[in-house]
Formats: sequence, structure tokens, C-alpha cells
Amino acid sequence: ETGVTQTPRHLVMGMTNKKSLKCEQHLGHNAMYWYKQSAKKPLELMFVYSLEERVENNSVPSRFSPECPNSSHLFLHLHTLQPEDSALYLCASSQYRGRTSEQFFGPGTRLTVL
Amino acid sequence: GQQLNQNPQSMFIQEGEDVSMNCTSSSIFNTWLWYKQDPGEGPVLLIALYKAGELTSNGRLTAQFGITRKDSFLNISASIPSDVGIYFCAGARYKNYGGSQGNLIFGKGTKLSVKP
Repeated sequence: ETGVTQTPRHLVMGMTNKKSLKCEQHLGHNAMYWYKQSAKKPLELMFVYSLEERVENNSVPSRFSPECPNSSHLFLHLHTLQPEDSALYLCASSQYRGRTSEQFFGPGTRLTVL
Repeated sequence: GQQLNQNPQSMFIQEGEDVSMNCTSSSIFNTWLWYKQDPGEGPVLLIALYKAGELTSNGRLTAQFGITRKDSFLNISASIPSDVGIYFCAGARYKNYGGSQGNLIFGKGTKLSVKP
């Protein structure tokens, strides 16, 4: 595997379900990000992890719970979601320190909440 | 919060034509990035710009970091059908003097459709 991978690619869940999204980066980066992409809106940053520590939580509801067990893996645990949470969830990685802001994205998980 | 205004929102062009799009902000940025997103995929980084006035090319794509540091431009020359997609600009600024880059702020995208 190369780059940033995400599983599953598609997920349909009911409002009472619990599910998890997984992201893995093979780029040797030390920072990972979760974004939400909804139609007609800019990408919304949800969480930032640097060196496995959460450095930013962008006022995301507690029904979204991130986990970063190591610098290569990032999870987003979902529970009691709402239909308006349906969106494309993108994971990205980068080198957190230094000059570069270049983030590399995975293919995303298309989430539908019924 | 900070916003990037990206124009145009969408455009239809004939194959072979040149394309121009831009991104503007009321704030100064230290970095400008351009991404392309194909349907059902994540954004792919096309060009990164780090210096005011910088002009950088990637094949038929050329991007410029505006002199005021409040804008950036992307040009695509001789467009082809595979150029179809959504192009996003993103800006970042230093969190503190000489420190690390802040988070990326994204524009809403320019949707490019090419008539074959």
C-alpha cells in the first residue's frame, strides 16, 4: 500500500449504530487529520493529531471520537449520528513541524446516516 | 472564521482551451496549495507555493503566489477531458513567528467540466 488509505470506502448506518472509520498512512508523516466534506461547503477540519497527541478539536460533537494509536493509524469512532452527519470523511497526513503545509489525502469514506 | 473566495465556482470549456481560476482572501497567507479532486476520491496535491510572487509549474498547470500574499492563481493550458474535476485552493499561515504552519483553510472549489 502507498500513500494514505481509508476503510471502508462506503458506509451506511442507522442513528443508533456504532461504527469506526480507519485511516493508515504509509508516508512516514507525524501528523494526521480528519476532515468532513459536505456538498457546497469547504472542507471542514475536525481533528488534528501530532505525534499521536490530539492538538486540535475543531468544536466537533462528542458523537465523533478520534483515536490515534500510533503515527501511522487514525480512527474515527461514530455513535448515535444524525442524518446531517452524512458526508465524505477524509483523512490526511503531513509533517507537522517545519515549513511545509502539504497534506496528503486518502480517498475518503462516504458515510450515509439513515 | 477565515474564508477563501474561489472563482469561478464552475466553468465549461472546450477541449484545448486554457483555464484560469483564482483564490482571494482578506488575510495574508504564507503558503498556498492547489488540489484537484476527482469524483469519489480524495483531493490530490497539484502545486505548493511558499514565496510571494513565486510561479510554479506542474506539466500543463501553472500556479502563482500573489505579490500581496492574499491571493493565488491556477492556470491550465490546453485542457483535456481528464482535467475534469474540482480544483481547490488552500492557504496556511504561521502559527507564531518562525514557527510551524497553521492549519489549511480551503476554498469551496472550482468545478471544471470539459466538452470533448
